[in-house]
Amino acid sequence: GDSVVQTEGQVLPSEGDSLIVNCSYETTQYPSLFWYVQYPGEGPQLHLKAMKANDKGRNKGFEAMYRKETTSFHLEKDSVQESDSAVYFCALGNNNDMRFGAGTRLTVKP
Amino acid sequence: DAGVIQSPRHEVTEMGQEVTLRCKPISGHNSLFWYRQTMMRGLELLIYFNNNVPIDDSGMPEDRFSAKMPNASFSTLKIQPSEPRDSAVYFCASSLGEGRYEKLFFGSGTQLSVL
Repeated sequence: GDSVVQTEGQVLPSEGDSLIVNCSYETTQYPSLFWYVQYPGEGPQLHLKAMKANDKGRNKGFEAMYRKETTSFHLEKDSVQESDSAVYFCALGNNNDMRFGAGTRLTVKP
Repeated sequence: DAGVIQSPRHEVTEMGQEVTLRCKPISGHNSLFWYRQTMMRGLELLIYFNNNVPIDDSGMPEDRFSAKMPNASFSTLKIQPSEPRDSAVYFCASSLGEGRYEKLFFGSGTQLSVL
């Protein structure tokens, strides 16, 4: 079945550091790919998306490229800020399912 | 738009009691999802409705769980009888469209504690 695997646990960059949160997926279909962000006490909310291969999702300085050849959708940012601290979920959606990764907690040190 | 509205925000109950969680999706959205979030299992899809009809309930853990959507503006998730292992945050989400590849709008969740 479909699956999503992302960087486990917590990432602890300092403010101004660059960031990569890995996301890899498995599917036999042609999914759309998403990154959702969750702040304390709230539900996840869409952060960025890419609907097909070679699309790039962008939001608030974050980017993710839909790479079919490597089945990846890594989340990247050149310079993180303290306000970026949250839990980030990679997700895969297609006609049969919407799967979320386990989540990566990003804690940016001031 | 008020977004997806869930109630109650917090629920504490004793093992064996019936629990009912409520959800009002965004007006005009035709797909509704119930998710459960735990530290161990992350976000799990429990059931998915499209145009008020349950499409896939394969994620519902067992017969103690049931979900209904009597109309386009209301859904319930019921657990009867509840057990301590049901303790989790339950999210409702809605979207405009038929496929699960559409953008989901989540509610703020119901924190359920079963003692």
